[in-house]
Amino acid sequence: AQSVTQLGSHVSVSEGALVLLRCNYSSSVPPYLFWYVQYPNQGLQLLLKYTSAATLVKGINGFEAEFKKSETSFHLTKPSAHMSDAAEYFCAGLLNAGNMLTFGGGTRLMVKP
Amino acid sequence: DARVTQTPRHKVTEMGQEVTMRCQPILGHNTVFWYRQTMMQGLELLAYFRNRAPLDDSGMPKDRFSAEMPDATLATLKIQPSEPRDSAVYFCASGLWGDRRNTEAFFGQGTRLTVV
Repeated sequence: AQSVTQLGSHVSVSEGALVLLRCNYSSSVPPYLFWYVQYPNQGLQLLLKYTSAATLVKGINGFEAEFKKSETSFHLTKPSAHMSDAAEYFCAGLLNAGNMLTFGGGTRLMVKP
Repeated sequence: DARVTQTPRHKVTEMGQEVTMRCQPILGHNTVFWYRQTMMQGLELLAYFRNRAPLDDSGMPKDRFSAEMPDATLATLKIQPSEPRDSAVYFCASGLWGDRRNTEAFFGQGTRLTVV
């Protein structure tokens, strides 16, 4: 089955610490992958996307993600967490040349002062 | 600033009543999605349209839910009759599908539905 999996439904980091949110995918063809962020009572906002160009993708708010085909991963990172980064993050993919955007279960990021 | 507009933002209704949620996709987008978000199930795809034609509505309970695009500027999601288990946030998203390199979905702010 084609899928997107996010490891860890909750991640807690201290302000200034590295943020690492994990995403793995299953697809029979090279996927297109996305990270979205959702702040409370808001819709989803695109952070970044991978569309088979550079494997290291830079997004908004200092986030970046690296596509690793050998690991079927697209983990999201940020060198230094800020309190304003507290939100829910969703990994999504266009898999199998399909038309649907498949979402992972989401990871809630908490940032401690 | 182009955006997906959903109305209403909040809806409280009694069980058994009809609920209609509306979405205005971004002008020029050819694909519209309806998602439902709950704490238990996360984001679930209910239905999606391409050039106003329904492509997949397998995620939608057919007996009470219906989704339509009467024209390119309006997508609707109806629930009749509504039940308490339908309480959730319903998101509409639109995008320009075709060239995958430019593919991305733009989300509305959602409609928070509470059925009592």
